[in-house]
Amino acid sequence: EDQVTQSPEALRLQEGESSSLNCSYTVSGLRGLFWYRQDPGKGPEFLFTLYSAGEEKEKERLKATLTKKESFLHITAPKPEDSATYLCAVQAFNAGKSTFGDGTTLTVKP
Amino acid sequence: SQTIHQWPATLVQPVGSPLSLECTVEGTSNPNLYWYRQAAGRGLQLLFYSVGIGQISSEVPQNLSASRPQDRQFILSSKKLLLSDSGFYLCAWSSGQGYGYTFGSGTRLTVV
Repeated sequence: EDQVTQSPEALRLQEGESSSLNCSYTVSGLRGLFWYRQDPGKGPEFLFTLYSAGEEKEKERLKATLTKKESFLHITAPKPEDSATYLCAVQAFNAGKSTFGDGTTLTVKP
Repeated sequence: SQTIHQWPATLVQPVGSPLSLECTVEGTSNPNLYWYRQAAGRGLQLLFYSVGIGQISSEVPQNLSASRPQDRQFILSSKKLLLSDSGFYLCAWSSGQGYGYTFGSGTRLTVV
């Protein structure tokens, strides 16, 4: 059974204080690992897809990286508007669905 | 461009009443469609997914059901709601395996 564990559950940062979110996974053949951002009361918004170990993707202050066992979402010099819950999900080969972690809730204080 | 519509945004229903949530996708054909439920402060629990008309996979045994009467329409139903059915229901679509999901805006269901 595919499993995704995200840590920490909650992270509070000062504006400009860089940090990383962790997503550890077990999957029977990784087809893709996905990162999403979710604002309160809204549906998740797709951020990145990573397909193989060593791959990296960037978008503004966010960079996602992937190894064979985990993924990191690095946040560089965050701003208050980066505050949200970040969700990680994995999809196995021959699976029509993704398995999600419980998310990390990021709060960035000005 | 592709868009996904989900309604209603909020719903308060008494225990034992029926439920029907609708989701439609525009601008694409033969999408994979998904229904997820999210409890407060938790991750997403997959309820149903469909890779084509009439093809529904159920992930969690419960009193909910799903149907896909048209290519881009996905409906979540219940004949009799339970208190435990309260939650945030999300519809999503993807182009297929290996692609990320696009989510709808969600329905906040409160069963009283």
